Amino acid sequence: EVQLVQSGAEVKKPGESLKISCKGSGYSFTSYWIGWVRQMPGKGLEWMGIIYPGDSDTRYSPSFQGQVTISADKSISTAYLQWSSLKASDTAMYYCARLSSNGINYWFDPWGQGTLVTVSS
Amino acid sequence: QSVLTQPPSASGTPGQRVTISCSGSSSNIGSNTVNWYQQLPGTAPKLLIYSNNQRPSGVPDRFSGSKSGTSASLAISGLQSEDEADYYCAAWDDSLNAVFGGGTKLTVL
Repeated sequence: EVQLVQSGAEVKKPGESLKISCKGSGYSFTSYWIGWVRQMPGKGLEWMGIIYPGDSDTRYSPSFQGQVTISADKSISTAYLQWSSLKASDTAMYYCARLSSNGINYWFDPWGQGTLVTVSS
Repeated sequence: QSVLTQPPSASGTPGQRVTISCSGSSSNIGSNTVNWYQQLPGTAPKLLIYSNNQRPSGVPDRFSGSKSGTSASLAISGLQSEDEADYYCAAWDDSLNAVFGGGTKLTVL
């Protein structure tokens, strides 16, 4: 079974750093892009960026470029989303998802269970 | 403000047919396929429709998708109480950014 399992909920203070993870299993982790999606409380889905674990090629949404860092460690089939200095506005649920394809079209499937990040003083 | 436009809410009674619209532009829906995701309360999104009108294994054929020009639609027939969820359309734009609709909250009356 293809599965993405994310790290647990985090509570942080403004200015702190954070790295959350997404571990893939049941497929060749290096052969599929992994994306990150933000969902702020009571709001919709926002695409943050994607990474290809095979060579760490990374693309960011213009809205998140410079705000977060996406990385991957293919040796342990894990992708990461990282902040160097959190803000209260980073409070949200963060989902990872595998980018699946038929060679022409692309879609996110499956999704991880989500990691809730709460930033509060 | 989301790049793709969806109605914020929709509703129907059990057994009814409901449609949810998704409007975009020539740089996203107009030139790329549309995917739909279902998010049940308190859970992660789940792929519902891909490549405009394809259902993943396990998705009932009550769910169908279509696309015309720069707009797409999700139809749910034989509405059931367990269909109560948020529904999101999504596409890629010509700059290879993924764009989502703002989501439609479906209520089964």
